[in-house]
Amino acid sequence: SQQGEEDPQALSIQEGENATMNCSYKTSINNLQWYRQNSGRGLVHLILIRSNEREKHSGRLRVTLDTSKKSSSLLITASRAADTASYFCASRNTGFQKLVFGTGTRLLVSP
Amino acid sequence: GAGVSQSPSNKVTEKGKDVELRCDPISGHTALYWYRQRLGQGLEFLIYFQGNSAPDKSGLPSDRFSAERTGESVSTLTIQRTQQEDSAVYLCASSSGTSWDTIYFGEGSWLTVV
Repeated sequence: SQQGEEDPQALSIQEGENATMNCSYKTSINNLQWYRQNSGRGLVHLILIRSNEREKHSGRLRVTLDTSKKSSSLLITASRAADTASYFCASRNTGFQKLVFGTGTRLLVSP
Repeated sequence: GAGVSQSPSNKVTEKGKDVELRCDPISGHTALYWYRQRLGQGLEFLIYFQGNSAPDKSGLPSDRFSAERTGESVSTLTIQRTQQEDSAVYLCASSSGTSWDTIYFGEGSWLTVV
């Protein structure tokens, strides 16, 4: 399977703490995209990082990419209860249009 | 439109019946994708359209599944003779069609086969 993997599978933290999720993928990529999913429905796009980028920020989100290790991480700083969701990484492999998704991390932020 | 629109939002069907799921991509987006997500699982790729042709349909699980797209507009995913294992959320996404672009997802169609 080409599917990537994420860890941890589940993460439980308190409001105000930081949350870090890691993603590994299997082949050379054009870019990697992170998504959030609430209640098992639509995916909300968070950040796209290109293969020639190493770090990207958006508000409280920080994404890093290490192509030599075929891995990426998503850091959410100063977490809020509203950040409770599942988070997925998805890689866009070189030469292909489709996204290959990781297995996801379920984040629970308690007030 | 402002976003990817899917219908129906929820569908309950009897085993053996056919179902059609519709996707309206973001206006101007040439690429369209279908994914399936079973309860508690990740997303499985089904098919990708560029315009109205499907250069990658490698994820369609069986010949009961088919999809078509009219020009660079609406797509329909059809599941014939539904089985209980077809129960899942079917997610549609669209993008502008380059390798570097963001892919935007709809809210999904939740299919339950009873």
